[in-house]
Formats: sequence, C-alpha cells, structure tokens
Amino acid sequence: NAGVTQTPKFQVLKTGQSMTLQCAQDMNHEYMSWYRQDPGMGLRLIHYSVGAGITDQGEVPNGYNVSRSTTEDFPLRLLSAAPSQTSVYFCASSYSRRDEKLFFGSGTQLSVL
Amino acid sequence: LAKTTQPISMDSYEGQEVNITCSHNNIATNDYITWYQQFPSQGPRFIIQGYKTKVTNEVASLFIPADRKSSTLSLPRVSLSDTAVYYCLVDYQAGTALIFGKGTTLSVSS
Repeated sequence: NAGVTQTPKFQVLKTGQSMTLQCAQDMNHEYMSWYRQDPGMGLRLIHYSVGAGITDQGEVPNGYNVSRSTTEDFPLRLLSAAPSQTSVYFCASSYSRRDEKLFFGSGTQLSVL
Repeated sequence: LAKTTQPISMDSYEGQEVNITCSHNNIATNDYITWYQQFPSQGPRFIIQGYKTKVTNEVASLFIPADRKSSTLSLPRVSLSDTAVYYCLVDYQAGTALIFGKGTTLSVSS
C-alpha cells in the first residue's frame, strides 16, 4: 500500500513555464486536496475534490487548476509559473469529506526563478 | 470560515509534559477536532481526534472542555524526537474545505 504518492519531489521552473504536479492515492479515498506551505503561513488550501468529477476552490486558488477524472488521481496544474508560487506543495486524501484523518504525501518542493 | 488559533511556538525540555492549546470559538455541535504532527521535510501525519471530554492514545491526549471553544493537546514526557510543528484542525460541518491554521512549532531541548 503506497498511500499518497507525489511526483516530482523537486522542481525548478522559469517564470512563465507551466507544469503539472502529480498526486495519486491507492486507498480508494473520495476526498483529495492540495495545500501549499510557506514559512510562517502554515498549510493553505489551494483546491480540493470530494469525488471524481467534482472540484472546488480553497483559500488560494489563483494560478492553479485541478481536475479529478478518476478516484485515484488529482493533478495540480500551474498555468504560468510565478516566483510567488515558490513553495512546498502537499497533496492529501481521506476516505470521505467527513473523515478528517487526512493522509499526506511527502511533498513537492517547487522553485520558480 | 473561521480558522483555529494556536501559539506560534513553544519550548520545552526532555521529560516534561507539553500542553498546546487551540482556540476554535465558532465550533458547532457536530464538529470534530483533529491534531496533526509535521516533521521537517515530511507531510503532516494524524495524531489524535476528539469530539468532547478526553481522548487518549499511545502518542498523546486531547482535552476538550464542555463549551468546546478550545482544545488542548497534551504530550507526556516529551523527547527530542517530538520537535515538530503541531496543527489543530476543526472540521467545520458548515463548510466543505478543511482549513488548517498556522500551527505551533515545538522545540524540545536536552
């Protein structure tokens, strides 16, 4: 059981480039979410999904897109990277929206130059 | 949507008991309280969850007073390996998003 798998672990982008952060879980979890973590800011919710085909915005959604075509995968897309998006990104999942036992991936460290 | 409020940082010595309090004034009747622990370069991990009164597991205890406007995570006899960031999370039933606060950085010294 791999849990929540995030790829890549590290990424360096130039301003204006686009990329997709991958997140996959093998626990048949309905709820999946993306957070970014910056020094002194804690974990801030970007987007989340309560099931396949359903997504919604969190606290800081600007500059990011998501889709949920399958239960297992929840990719995060940066359309045009900006230095303000330099951060550590975490994907998390739980059995359902009302099960707050979130399982987190190991994170993706992204630098935008 | 209201967030939780925790102290930014706390310091302790090995062997001491550490209590971290979280304020959540807008908590509703059916909202659960969950605590997570995060080590450097890792994702947060679930520690304990409670609804009312007291919950204890092999890692920590969670105390929730009757009015449920705050909760306290208690770590007995901390060690250096308990140095981490601790997050309090309230599942506000009125919303669909799980919003974290800024967390408490606990530093344990020998």
